[in-house]
Parts: sequence; C-alpha cells; structure tokens
Amino acid sequence: DGGITQSPKYLFRKEGQNVTLSCEQNLNHDAMYWYRQDPGQGLRLIYYSQIVNDFQKGDIAEGYSVSREKKESFPLTVTSAQKNPTAFYLCASSILWQGNQPQHFGDGTRLSIL
Amino acid sequence: SQQGEEDPQALSIQEGENATMNCSYKTSINNLQWYRQNSGRGLVHLILIRSNEREKHSGRLRVTLDTSKKSSSLLITASRAADTASYFCATGGDGLAFGKGNQVVVIP
Repeated sequence: DGGITQSPKYLFRKEGQNVTLSCEQNLNHDAMYWYRQDPGQGLRLIYYSQIVNDFQKGDIAEGYSVSREKKESFPLTVTSAQKNPTAFYLCASSILWQGNQPQHFGDGTRLSIL
Repeated sequence: SQQGEEDPQALSIQEGENATMNCSYKTSINNLQWYRQNSGRGLVHLILIRSNEREKHSGRLRVTLDTSKKSSSLLITASRAADTASYFCATGGDGLAFGKGNQVVVIP
C-alpha cells in the first residue's frame, strides 16, 4: 500500500539535544511538507520541498532544519535552538507543490521535552 | 499566507443527526479543501471544491463555497459514531493554509 510513514511515533528530547524525525513516502510525490500542530492552533507550516534537493522555509522555520536528498525522504531536525519543541509533528506529500493538490499525511510524531 | 478559519465549534450530536461546520477565509483562493483528523492520527483529505464551484457532494458529505462571502460549509448527513473527529478546512492558493479545526463528537 502506498503512503507516508513517520517515525518514531513518540520522541523525547533532552535540553540542548538535536533530534531528527523521519518521513518516508512511496507515493512518488514530488512535494513534501512538515507541519507543527499545537492544541487549538491548527497546522503551521515549518518547511516544504517542491522537488529533490530543494526546500523552502515555511511560516515557523526557526529552530528547525530539513534535507531532501531523495524523493522518498524528507527528515526534519528539531535543533536545540527551538525552545518550545513540544508538539505533534505531521509530514505530508502531494503530487506537485500547488495549492490545488490534496495532501496525504503520515500519522505524526509526538515530541516532548524530558 | 492565507488562513482558513473554522467557526471555533465543538459540536456534539446524536448518531443519525446532521453536522454542519463553517469556514471563513480572508483572501482570494483557487480552491478550498476539507480534511478529517481522528485523535492522534494524521489528516485525511475529504473533498476539494474549486473557486468556480458552488457545491460539491461526496457520499454523505456536502460542501458549499461562497466566494463573495469568503466562506464554506461542510455538512455531514446521517452522522455515525465513526465520524467523531476534528475537521479542518484549508485554503489553496500559493500553497495550502489550514484553519484551526472543528471538533465533532457523534454520540451512539
């Protein structure tokens, strides 16, 4: 079955530590996205990638970094510079990076601070 | 970026009743999409309505779009317990912008 796989499902970060969230898709989609979801806040865009080896900052990119070395993979690193990382992180993909494309989502990673 | 905004409703209804939720937005759009999110899961795309469409149906879902009022509504008919979820609208223009979601609880 085609889809998006996020791992791990739960992640804990210590102070000063960088952590990486994995996102893999086998839908052959060009575009991929990372969102952060806080209670009552909806989804906020962190980074997006329109195509391999290219990515752009979203609305709340500070304290995060990404890479897109393969079409299938779009890992997100939460750096120590992100002072409030506790949230639910969602990865998504679409055939193309256009606002008229439905997005397919993974089941998220819940990040907490130790 | 554009922002879909649902009416901040927490809707609780009996199974078999209809559920209606609304979404308003501020700028011009190419399309509007609705998504469902079950607790602790990712979002699932439900329906997309283009800016030149006024109404669209998909199974028990009915979406309307009024571009003059910059608003959309999602109607779920004959609700089921499995419809319990949060529902998000998202406006499509230069990318996709999500609203804050409506929580719907369907009581068996």
